[in-house]
Amino acid sequence: KQEVTQIPAALSVPEGENLVLNCSFTDSAIYNLQWFRQDPGKGLTSLLLIQSSQREQTSGRLNASLDKSSGRSTLYIAASQPGDSATYLCAVRPDYNTDKLIFGTGTRLQVFP
Amino acid sequence: ETGVTQSPTHLIKTRGQQVTLRCSSQSGHNTVSWYQQALGQGPQFIFQYYREEENGRGNFPPRFSGLQFPNYSSELNVNALELDDSALYLCASSTGQVAEKLFFGSGTQLSVL
Repeated sequence: KQEVTQIPAALSVPEGENLVLNCSFTDSAIYNLQWFRQDPGKGLTSLLLIQSSQREQTSGRLNASLDKSSGRSTLYIAASQPGDSATYLCAVRPDYNTDKLIFGTGTRLQVFP
Repeated sequence: ETGVTQSPTHLIKTRGQQVTLRCSSQSGHNTVSWYQQALGQGPQFIFQYYREEENGRGNFPPRFSGLQFPNYSSELNVNALELDDSALYLCASSTGQVAEKLFFGSGTQLSVL
């Protein structure tokens, strides 16, 4: 059974710091991995999607890497800002024929001025 | 291009009642999936609809059912509500292609008293 774990569960940092959020999964048989952002009580915003054949993806200050064989992904946030405060979720796609994603429980990030 | 929209945003029901939640998929998307997110947890896959048929289901009982309409919008129905059904219900749409992102709505917050 696929399980996704995110460490740390919560993080509080001053503005300007570079951050690394970790995601691990127990079964390497995935098609892709997606990182999402969730503001309190709101839906999910897709940040980055990494296909199983890729090693990393970048968007602005965000960079996500994937090491499928070791079951790990990291989300790197450069020069953090208070507006980055949110919960960050990673999710793996185990099936080809469905949009089923298996999520971690998230890392709650607070960036203070 | 319109995004994924869900209604209502909030709902309060009592135990034993029935509820219907609605979702309009993003323009150009033909696949809709539903997720349940309990407080402090990652979303859990309920089921997926493609071409008006359910074609994938998570570990949820039959009292969770759905529909997809010819315009690809969807409904989630929950019968015999239980206290543990209190959660944020998220709808996601996609093109159904494995390499594509899922786009989520803002969710419906259901409280069962």
